[in-house]
Order: sequence, then structure tokens, then C-alpha cells
Amino acid sequence: AQKITQTQPGMFVQEKEAVTLDCTYDTSDQSYGLFWYKQPSSGEMIFLIYQGSYDEQNATEGRYSLNFQKARKSANLVISASQLGDSAMYFCAMSPTGTASKLTFGTGTRLQVTL
Amino acid sequence: AAGVIQSPRHLIKEKRETATLKCYPIPRHDTVYWYQQGPGQDPQFLISFYEKMQSDKGSIPDRFSAQQFSDYHSELNMSSLELGDSALYFCASSFLETPYNEQFFGPGTRLTVL
Repeated sequence: AQKITQTQPGMFVQEKEAVTLDCTYDTSDQSYGLFWYKQPSSGEMIFLIYQGSYDEQNATEGRYSLNFQKARKSANLVISASQLGDSAMYFCAMSPTGTASKLTFGTGTRLQVTL
Repeated sequence: AAGVIQSPRHLIKEKRETATLKCYPIPRHDTVYWYQQGPGQDPQFLISFYEKMQSDKGSIPDRFSAQQFSDYHSELNMSSLELGDSALYFCASSFLETPYNEQFFGPGTRLTVL
């Protein structure tokens, strides 16, 4: 079984500043992927970034980077230079690799970017 | 780039009615997933299909059924609708051969049961 924990129900960040959204996970799988999705108020689920369990380097995708610490079972999302359009719910999720298996989601963190 | 298409985007039904949700995956994607997201909740996995065969099953009620067709589109059929079925239903697709099988979500179908 897999479990994702997001302990920050809500976060505030000022425009142009960086913010870190926390995610810890638990799994018995040896190979797995970790994902972050953004859900704006309009409801769609937007894929942001992923990290493979065997990837040695942290994933980056534009202003998004994933701080992956395998020994601590954490996969925090870092958003640099926050923009007003970053205000949304952010979900951390995981899935075993090599199978058509489900994503297990955390409860999400609502990020509000302020002026 | 082409995305996952879901129809309809909004659906209003009465209790005990039936509903059919449709999903068209990204071209060349071979796997389709269905998720249900209740108000203020995280998405919960319902069912998935790989190459038109059911591959995984979550907490999908017996009143729901789904299938994937030869053109890879999928339909979620929901019968005897209950008030608690009101939710946002997502379809996602992926290509199993990619290293980490990242799933791309459609815009969702918002179902309201009155």
C-alpha cells in the first residue's frame, strides 16, 4: 500500500518569492514515481513534474523543482519566483512504475500568492 | 499538443437516473484511468484499462461500470445515481512505455445529482 502525506492545508507566499510545499510518502515498492499536480479553481488537474525513485538528480521543470530525499521519504515541491497565477491547490501523488497502476494522492495544499 | 477530452463537461441528473461519461485519451496513449473527486477531497481512483482490458480496480461501486473500446476511448456508466455520487470525475491517460508512466488528466466532468 502507498500513502502520501501533505501536512500543510494552506500556504501563503508573496509574489516573486519562492515557496516549498511539503510531501512525505510511504511505500513498500522498490521502484516508483512521485508526481505533483496543480488544480486551479477551475478544476482541471495539471501535471507539473515527476521524480523517479532511482533518479539521482532532482527533477526540474521551469520554475518548479522537486527536492527529493529518498532516505527521508520526502518529495517537496519548490516553486521559484511565485506568480499570482500559481494560486491553486497542489497535490502530491505517487504510483509504482512499470504498471498501469493508480495514482495515490495526498490531501493537497492550497497555495495563495499575494501581492 | 492534444489533451485528454472528456464529455460532457457538466451533467445534472436526478436520483436513481443513469449517466454515461466519455473519455478520449491522448493519441497513442494505451492506458486510461478514472478518478472521482468529491468536494474538498483528493481524487480517488475508480478503475483503469490497459489495451482495452481492465488493469486495476479501486473503490468503484457496483452500480458503476466502465470499458475501453477498440479506438481506446473509454466510458464510465453510472446507474441508480445517489446524491453522494455528485463529484468531479476525471479521466487520465498514459503511455505505459514511458519511464514513470505519468498520467495526464482531462478537464473533468462535473456531475450533480439532485
